[in-house]
Amino acid sequence: DIQMTQSPSTLSASVGDRVTITCRASQSISRWLAWYQQKPGKAPKLLIYEASSLESGVPSRFSGSGSGTEFTLTISRLQPDDFATYYCQQYNTYSTFGQGTKVEIK
Amino acid sequence: QVQLQESGPGLVKPSGTLSLTCTVSGDSISSSHYYWGWMRQPPGKALEWIGSIYHTGVKYQNPSLTSPVSISVDTSKNQFSLDLFSVTAADTAVYYCARGGRTHYDFQAFDYWGRGAQVTVSS
Repeated sequence: DIQMTQSPSTLSASVGDRVTITCRASQSISRWLAWYQQKPGKAPKLLIYEASSLESGVPSRFSGSGSGTEFTLTISRLQPDDFATYYCQQYNTYSTFGQGTKVEIK
Repeated sequence: QVQLQESGPGLVKPSGTLSLTCTVSGDSISSSHYYWGWMRQPPGKALEWIGSIYHTGVKYQNPSLTSPVSISVDTSKNQFSLDLFSVTAADTAVYYCARGGRTHYDFQAFDYWGRGAQVTVSS
């Protein structure tokens, strides 16, 4: 099984900050990685697929990078609507989600 | 606009069967080239992929699941379904259905999701 490890588990930030979340795979997944945003009581929302492709309608302040085993999600200037939990997902072989990163208000 | 809606009992007894159906609107399961998937999220925990199915019936399921699972599709009703057998309290979760709109061969990221169905396993 491919394991996905996100860091940090919790991140405290302020509006306007640049935020980076890391996701590491236990083996190479090439670029088959997605990022989701989830707010309490809501379904996840796809932000990024294929490591760096922005899903339609997602603001350009969100960006993804990486390949192989290490990936990052960056929010260039944090907005009030961005406080949420973020998950990575590999879909190279079956599918595995990371444990999540909660972005909270500092 | 693609929409998915989960339906099924909210309470299942231990050792029983958890059965959910996902009804799709705004897209056709039989004519789209997507897989359709099930995920779940226990209270306060991370998402877990359960499995995905194609309109032909080809399916993939999470090999790490402890409870037996069956995923099926009914293209005439534009629905797909999940059965989870011999459930325990550990299967208590919000269950989501979703469209696998971003694909890599038989695996996918999910671009449209249902709102989720809370299922509690308890006597």
